[in-house]
Amino acid sequence: AQSVTQLDSQVPVFEEAPVELRCNYSSSVSVYLFWYVQYPNQGLQLLLKYLSGSTLVESINGFEAEFNKSQTSFHLRKPSVHISDTAEYFCAVSDLTGGSYIPTFGRGTSLIVHP
Amino acid sequence: DAGITQSPRHKVTETGTPVTLRCHQTENHRYMYWYRQDPGHGLRLIHYSYGVKDTDKGEVSDGYSVSRSKTEDFLLTLESATSSQTSVYFCAISEGTGYGSPLHFGNGTRLTVT
Repeated sequence: AQSVTQLDSQVPVFEEAPVELRCNYSSSVSVYLFWYVQYPNQGLQLLLKYLSGSTLVESINGFEAEFNKSQTSFHLRKPSVHISDTAEYFCAVSDLTGGSYIPTFGRGTSLIVHP
Repeated sequence: DAGITQSPRHKVTETGTPVTLRCHQTENHRYMYWYRQDPGHGLRLIHYSYGVKDTDKGEVSDGYSVSRSKTEDFLLTLESATSSQTSVYFCAISEGTGYGSPLHFGNGTRLTVT
């Protein structure tokens, strides 16, 4: 079974500063990688995903993540954060388990953007 | 909007009582999931379903059962609620066949067991 490690439980940062949220997963032959965002009192929303092709994927609100197979990582970055980016971020990995792709989630990283 | 409704949104119950949470989807997707979210643990899979009457256990299935008699409804039952089951429960659906498809989540049910 997959395991997902989000190395930081909380990341405080000032507005307009860059940020990186780290995610590592246990190795597998074929995986699909996702980042989700959760705003207070809401469910998770898909931020971006890597299925195949270019190892750099981008979201519509300026986040990007890079799939690094050799390091089994999928770190999330943003060059300049806004107050509205304050949220919980979850890395998730899907692999084939018994014929079904079952997503496994990390424990989450709380991004706190200060003015 | 993936059309997922969880009910109830909040529930307070006593230890030892049975509790059923409902997840309803309007999209007719095959895969449905129940997760629980706890501080420091992230999301953990309880049970999932890959079709009507087809379900399987996740990593934290003890004390929980599920049923799926219709495509649109996935029920989670706590057979005899315990304080350790106090949590926020999320239902999710997979928009595709499950093959690398992302999940869409409901807004959650906050359950408190006293």
